[in-house]
Amino acid sequence: AQTVTQSQPEMSVQEAETVTLSCTYDTSESDYYLFWYKQPPSRQMILVIRQEAYKQQNATENRFSVNFQKAAKSFSLKISDSQLGDAAMYFCAYRSGVLTGANSKLTFGKGITLSVRP
Amino acid sequence: NAGVTQTPKFRVLKTGQSMTLLCAQDMNHEYMYWYRQDPGMGLRLIHYSVGEGTTAKGEVPDGYNVSRLKKQNFLLGLESAAPSQTSVYFCASSIHGRKSYNEQFFGPGTRLTVL
Repeated sequence: AQTVTQSQPEMSVQEAETVTLSCTYDTSESDYYLFWYKQPPSRQMILVIRQEAYKQQNATENRFSVNFQKAAKSFSLKISDSQLGDAAMYFCAYRSGVLTGANSKLTFGKGITLSVRP
Repeated sequence: NAGVTQTPKFRVLKTGQSMTLLCAQDMNHEYMYWYRQDPGMGLRLIHYSVGEGTTAKGEVPDGYNVSRLKKQNFLLGLESAAPSQTSVYFCASSIHGRKSYNEQFFGPGTRLTVL
């Protein structure tokens, strides 16, 4: 079974600075997808960024980028120019590339709470 | 286009009571999921459905039942609520296709408290 580990429960960053959130995962599969979700106080789960395992190029979405290290099974999220609205809980998630039945589910890490200091 | 909606948003139950959570999606997605979120645990899959009329168990199915009589709706039932079922419940849906991320779209969540 796949596991996702987010070892840092909380992090804090100064507004306008850069912060990196760590995530590691364990899998025996070669085809899979990785995601970062943001959950603000409203509870809504918002997809921030996604990465396909067979793509070597790291995904970027505006101020958000990932450092995907497949051999190390590491998938960290970098937030540049942090804004007050970035304060939220962030979840790393894994999904198998075998998109049938229970394999289509997302496996989540425990999450990390990010606070942004003005 | 409302996406994924959940009813109700909040609910308080007494131990032993029953209730049904409704999830509806208007994106014609085949796959639907129910997750629960507990502090320090992330989200865990309760049940899922790969199409109308089909359901299957996830990681933590005990104490819950589901039904998917219509493609757009996925119901989660608690027959006899227990305090251990106090949680935030999320419904999600996705298309099913090999050449896409099959991104899951989440509802706004239901906060359930069982006293």
